[in-house]
Amino acid sequence: EVQLVQSGAEVKKPGESLKISCKGSGYSFTSYWAGYWIGWVRQKPGQGLEWMGIIYPSDFDTRYSPSFEGQVTISVDKSINTAYLQWSSLKASDTAVYYCARGSLHYDVLTDSVKGPFDNWGQGTLVTVSS
Amino acid sequence: DIQMTQSPSSLSASVGDRVTITCRASQSIGSYLNWYQQTPGKAPKLLIFAASSLQSGVPSRFSGSRSGTDFTLTISSLQPEDFATYYCQQGFTTPFTFGPGTKVDIK
Repeated sequence: EVQLVQSGAEVKKPGESLKISCKGSGYSFTSYWAGYWIGWVRQKPGQGLEWMGIIYPSDFDTRYSPSFEGQVTISVDKSINTAYLQWSSLKASDTAVYYCARGSLHYDVLTDSVKGPFDNWGQGTLVTVSS
Repeated sequence: DIQMTQSPSSLSASVGDRVTITCRASQSIGSYLNWYQQTPGKAPKLLIFAASSLQSGVPSRFSGSRSGTDFTLTISSLQPEDFATYYCQQGFTTPFTFGPGTKVDIK
């Protein structure tokens, strides 16, 4: 069974740093040919879903939404099948639930793009930033 | 970025009703359109990928279709567990933008 298990809720102050995690199991996390990426999605209280970025654990290829580039860092530790989302200086506006999800994507070499759905999701991590 | 719109933003329906939700992409995305269901306090769940392919384990009352850049999610006979918010998402090019969501509640 494919599972993505995220780290627990966090309460932080503005300006603090944070790194949350997402551990994958039940599938080949780092296989170069499997086409499994890990993505991050933000959901602010009472609002919709915002796509933040994705990373390919096999070769660390990372693609960010322009809205989040420079604001967060997505990384992976292949040795423990875990992806991360981190902030160097949190703001109150970062308060949200953050989901990781497995992207079952295929690579289009002609356009250097990836295409496909998020087929398995983590349970979400609530991040609260308040002074 | 590709913009995704959905209509309606909300609807009220009864158990057994046929429900249709529409999603439109701001430019061509082929059939790279996914539908997700989210219930309160839970993670989204993939229902339909590639516009009309049913994800494994999803009931057959859910179906999807495409006409150009317009996409439709249909629930043939609404069940109590289907009251939720539904999001479309383009999976054609990053950033994989989501629609604003359609909330389906009980009439």
